[in-house]
Amino acid sequence: DTGVSQNPRHKITKRGQNVTFRCDPISEHNRLYWYRQTLGQGPEFLTYFQNEAQLEKSRLLSDRFSAERPKGSFSTLEIQRTEQGDSAMYLCASSPPGLPGGYGYTFGSGTRLTVV
Amino acid sequence: DAKTTQPTSMDCAEGRAANLPCNHSTISGNEYVYWYRQIHSQGPQYIIHGLKNNETNEMASLIITEDRKSSTLILPHATLRDTAVYYCIGEGAQKLVFGQGTRLTINP
Repeated sequence: DTGVSQNPRHKITKRGQNVTFRCDPISEHNRLYWYRQTLGQGPEFLTYFQNEAQLEKSRLLSDRFSAERPKGSFSTLEIQRTEQGDSAMYLCASSPPGLPGGYGYTFGSGTRLTVV
Repeated sequence: DAKTTQPTSMDCAEGRAANLPCNHSTISGNEYVYWYRQIHSQGPQYIIHGLKNNETNEMASLIITEDRKSSTLILPHATLRDTAVYYCIGEGAQKLVFGQGTRLTINP
């Protein structure tokens, strides 16, 4: 297993279009997280899964955003009716069970979204 | 979630020890302190974490004050590849909450 994989690496879309990103976590990790990062800022938490259950969603996750992890393995993040303010790097991370909440996160390289 | 305060930027000479401070005066007794770093265009990378005792691993050392209100990350022999943004994070409920971090520049 080579780590957390995110696809695509880059996405350019027109305002109003829908986009979907995929995250494949490390296989034995049961926790999966989505973050958003804009230029010059630290990553902002969006949502968190433990296995297939979505346990927490940030207020940043508007109605246009939806995340799924149907079988507790890979996850998708969909943004509907994209806006220019959605332009950011979207990061996925996973962590193993049985450890303190912040230990040993492994982050993917992110998907950079540009809305034009 | 514990709020942390870090300097916006720091410089260090290559080969010297880089000492990155962090204040976390609101941290509760059972919250860990985590350090991550982010090199340009990559996802954040775990460095080290601690609760009360000082910790050391192959990447860095973490010194936590006795009152747990602050900590220092030490990179003992900084190299140019250590140039990155370093985040000090007080553990939140099952998730990491990032601040602005410290932009560390290692100079040749």
